[in-house]
Amino acid sequence: QVQLQESGPGLVKPSETLSLTCTVSGGSISNYYWSWIRQPPGKGLEWIGYVYSSGSTNYNPSLKSRVSISVDTSKNQFSLKLSYVTAADTAVYYCARDPGVWGQGTLVTVSS
Amino acid sequence: DIQMTQSPSTLSASVGDRVTITCRASQSISVWLAWYQQKPGKVPKLLIYKASSLESGVPSRFSGSGSGTEFTLTISSLQPDDSATYYCQHYNSLFGQGTKLEIK
Repeated sequence: QVQLQESGPGLVKPSETLSLTCTVSGGSISNYYWSWIRQPPGKGLEWIGYVYSSGSTNYNPSLKSRVSISVDTSKNQFSLKLSYVTAADTAVYYCARDPGVWGQGTLVTVSS
Repeated sequence: DIQMTQSPSTLSASVGDRVTITCRASQSISVWLAWYQQKPGKVPKLLIYKASSLESGVPSRFSGSGSGTEFTLTISSLQPDDSATYYCQHYNSLFGQGTKLEIK
């Protein structure tokens, strides 16, 4: 059974770049779409974007100017970079494969 | 970009009630829609995939229907454990705003 695990810093300073990696285990990363989703405290789910195993991407228009998602098939990993973060980017960040395969989530706090 | 609009945003119902939540897409998404249930502090749980397919292990009181632009999630007989927030999602894309379901 495929499992996902997010990793990366839990604290990022304002204006810096948030970087997270999702490691896929129990299956191949090939031939699937892999997404990043976030949830600010007390708020709803927000889709950030996806990368296909070939490397093609699609992003939420509201974040598009600051987001980059990439895939490393040799490591069975995909990654998120979100630049110029502010306190509004504080959230639990999930990696996921549709439908219904999600990591446990990791809280990223933006604070100096 | 396709937008997802979910209603209502909050819902209060009694045990045993039939409950329906609606999700509308701004353009046709065929059947590429999933429904999730989320409880506080937990990872969202898949209930329905491809608009109407029940995920394994999910109680049969949950059902999904629709295609194109209009979709519904129905709980046939509400149980206390169903208190949660429900989200629709177009596959690999945007979520609805969520429906917070409260048990009276």
